[in-house]
Amino acid sequence: NAGVTQTPKFQVLKTGQSMTLQCAQDMNHNSMYWYRQDPGMGLRLIYYSASEGTTDKGEVPNGYNVSRLNKREFSLRLESAAPSQTSVYFCASSGTSAEAFFGQGTRLTVV
Amino acid sequence: GIQVEQSPPDLILQEGANSTLRCNFSDSVNNLQWFHQNPWGQLINLFYIPSGTKQNGRLSATTVATERYSLLYISSSQTTDSGVYFCAVRFGNEKLTFGTGTRLTIIP
Repeated sequence: NAGVTQTPKFQVLKTGQSMTLQCAQDMNHNSMYWYRQDPGMGLRLIYYSASEGTTDKGEVPNGYNVSRLNKREFSLRLESAAPSQTSVYFCASSGTSAEAFFGQGTRLTVV
Repeated sequence: GIQVEQSPPDLILQEGANSTLRCNFSDSVNNLQWFHQNPWGQLINLFYIPSGTKQNGRLSATTVATERYSLLYISSSQTTDSGVYFCAVRFGNEKLTFGTGTRLTIIP
């Protein structure tokens, strides 16, 4: 039982490049989330998906797109990376109990 | 949206000391969680506690939902308790909103 798995763990991009962060959960949870954490700060919600086939914007959605591929997987795409998107990205999921579980994070640097 | 405030922002203690961390929130919630972010950046679930009191070893938490606050108690601190403690709250199916955290440093 792996819980929430994120890939990759580390990534360096050049400004303007694109990439997709992958997230998968094996807990049969309906809700999935993408957060970013900047140095010394709390987590801010980028997008979330309350169920398969639905997605909604969070606090800081600009510059990102998401896809809820199926119940297990929720991906985050940066179409044209900018230095301001340098951050640690966390994926999370929650089920009927509403308790959220987090992946180990992806450390992204945009140069 | 719901506002979440944590205090104190920073706390430095000697090993063996006890501490109380506080989380205030601005609206009714039906989900409150405490997390520990360790120095490697991992977010570890401590408590899911929308109301009442729970204990897990040296840690315990109390949420008084009607008064819109939660407390996390750490007794007999160890250096491995160092890191940032976050509370996060949600009402209904709304997003999980995080506080800005309390950075705890335990000195040997």
